[in-house]
Amino acid sequence: SQTIHQWPATLVQPVGSPLSLECTVEGTSNPNLYWYRQAAGRGLQLLFYSVGIGQISSEVPQNLSASRPQDRQFILSSKKLLLSDSGFYLCAWSLSFNHPEAFFGQGTRLTVV
Amino acid sequence: GDSVTQMEGPVTLSEEAFLTINCTYTATGYPSLFWYVQYPGEGLQLLLKATKADDKGSNKGFEATYRKETTSFHLEKGSVQVSDSAVYFCALSAYNFNKFYFGSGTKLNVKP
Repeated sequence: SQTIHQWPATLVQPVGSPLSLECTVEGTSNPNLYWYRQAAGRGLQLLFYSVGIGQISSEVPQNLSASRPQDRQFILSSKKLLLSDSGFYLCAWSLSFNHPEAFFGQGTRLTVV
Repeated sequence: GDSVTQMEGPVTLSEEAFLTINCTYTATGYPSLFWYVQYPGEGLQLLLKATKADDKGSNKGFEATYRKETTSFHLEKGSVQVSDSAVYFCALSAYNFNKFYFGSGTKLNVKP
């Protein structure tokens, strides 16, 4: 069966520090991968999605970037964190066509101080 | 563009009450529709789905019917429990399945 791992679960970082959040998927090949951010008490904002290695689409211009160095690995990064980057970050995966649903990781709670 | 609109929360109900959370969508083509549930501090879990018009998705007593004529996918449950307290998200998957669009979420509080 497929599983998705996302870490760390919580993170407290000072303003101006770098960020690296990692997500890996097991049990499937060539998944679509997504990074979402959920601000406190709000809905989900799609940040990035990827349909293959090295293929990244950005939905919202911001202080973050994403990379997909391997088929089942998706990394969210920042060179210098801002206070506004605080939030709950969720990684998700899906397969196209016959399996349209997305499956989510447990999320990372990022607090920038 | 594609979008999802769901009713504002929070929704507060007593145990065993009937639940309806409204969801409408805008999409080109024929999207797939979903309801996800999020418990505090956790990721989203798929609750149910429907992939074509008139399909009814169901799981754990929850149901939703894909209504193309009204572009709706309302979530219903006949008798809620305290353990159903969570945030519920309506979502759609675009025709090319490369993107998912979520509603803003509806918080459900069920009191004993």
